[in-house]
Amino acid sequence: DSGVTQTPKHLITATGQRVTLRCSPRSGDLSVYWYQQSLDQGLQFLIQYYNGEERAKGNILERFSAQQFPDLHSELNLSSLELGDSALYFCASSAGLAAYNEQFFGPGTRLTVL
Amino acid sequence: AQSVTQLDSHVSVSEGTPVLLRCNYSSSYSPSLFWYVQHPNKGLQLLLKYTSAATLVKGINGFEAEFKKSETSFHLTKPSAHMSDAAEYFCVVSGYSGGYQKVTFGTGTKLQVIP
Repeated sequence: DSGVTQTPKHLITATGQRVTLRCSPRSGDLSVYWYQQSLDQGLQFLIQYYNGEERAKGNILERFSAQQFPDLHSELNLSSLELGDSALYFCASSAGLAAYNEQFFGPGTRLTVL
Repeated sequence: AQSVTQLDSHVSVSEGTPVLLRCNYSSSYSPSLFWYVQHPNKGLQLLLKYTSAATLVKGINGFEAEFKKSETSFHLTKPSAHMSDAAEYFCVVSGYSGGYQKVTFGTGTKLQVIP
């Protein structure tokens, strides 16, 4: 158990809908990362937050947004969903911004868009 | 610039034989390097990390990796494969770019262990 929790575990929805994925980092970790993993694209970095502020952006679509709250939990919002958004979404946390900080991954949320 | 290349997308070994998963990196500074493992439908788990201390790094489950700066490599090895090692392995480089932390994942190597 990494100490990172993600809810829900599974999500099934329809095209055009909006969903919110939630992540609670390990106790004491200030940095949160979001990743998308699909069979065709592999593991893609989406976005990173540190202590409530956005720190880095990866291949995140404009339809997607995220935030980190004062209690350090984070939410990833996916809107106008398309079939291609079906994937496993991971959240990870780390202690800070140092390059040597390893990331601890949650179990993921599997999103299915029908 | 920073990048990481996992040279094999799939590796197949027999149980009890050595494992070698290859990773090359490119970085403008002294990076930290990691190997993560992902079992099917699970999150990634850290195997080991290099952070400019000893160049030979030992990790969990008998894995180790050697940092070779001259070859810009960080290959993952294990003397004897177990069935439970079948998983996908990711090499990761972490450093700084423009004052911001930058983490780059490799494309992954799927390890198959044949009984």
